[in-house]
Amino acid sequence: DAGVIQSPRHEVTEMGQEVTLRCKPISGHNSLFWYRQTMMRGLELLIYFNNNVPIDDSGMPEDRFSAKMPNASFSTLKIQPSEPRDSAVYFCASSLDGPLDTQYFGPGTRLTVL
Amino acid sequence: KNQVEQSPQSLIILEGKNCTLQCNYTVSPFSNLRWYKQDTGRGPVSLTIMTFSENTKSNGRYTATLDADTKQSSLHITASQLSDSASYICVVTPNSGNTPLVFGKGTRLSVIA
Repeated sequence: DAGVIQSPRHEVTEMGQEVTLRCKPISGHNSLFWYRQTMMRGLELLIYFNNNVPIDDSGMPEDRFSAKMPNASFSTLKIQPSEPRDSAVYFCASSLDGPLDTQYFGPGTRLTVL
Repeated sequence: KNQVEQSPQSLIILEGKNCTLQCNYTVSPFSNLRWYKQDTGRGPVSLTIMTFSENTKSNGRYTATLDADTKQSSLHITASQLSDSASYICVVTPNSGNTPLVFGKGTRLSVIA
């Protein structure tokens, strides 16, 4: 099993540009989570999906952030327009069924907004 | 407010020594408590998981304890190895429907030769 796959691994962009992060969960997992990690705030849950439906997006910082899961094997997290304070590592994780099950994390995308 | 506090923030120990990391939480009631290990540049990996009724769980040289009365958990690492150098994150799952997990900020452990 390849585990959770994220792309790109690194992204450097300029303020105001659109950024799209991608995630492929583990096959057979029904839940997918997007996290942001910074030194100051640690890991923060942004949004999670169950069976492709967004269940809790209360962690999404503002309207500039949006996430989609068009099918069971693909999700995107989009930031438009990006700002320097969005610089962080963004992790995608998946679990069999919901937040009570063990989550398996991807390698993360390191985003730098100049 | 649900919170998870970890201490120390960072720790340096010699290879072969033991160490204990602390996690205090205010999440109540909770479903389970997990410890994750996060190597530099990688995603967190689950080490142990305990329900509220369990008070100890081992995974090799890692032993987690839980005191639900005092709302404290600890992760004990025995005979540390250089590969134990990582961040260790305590995560509590509230026992209330879809309330998201509560993460601690982690303890950064460095094991030196």
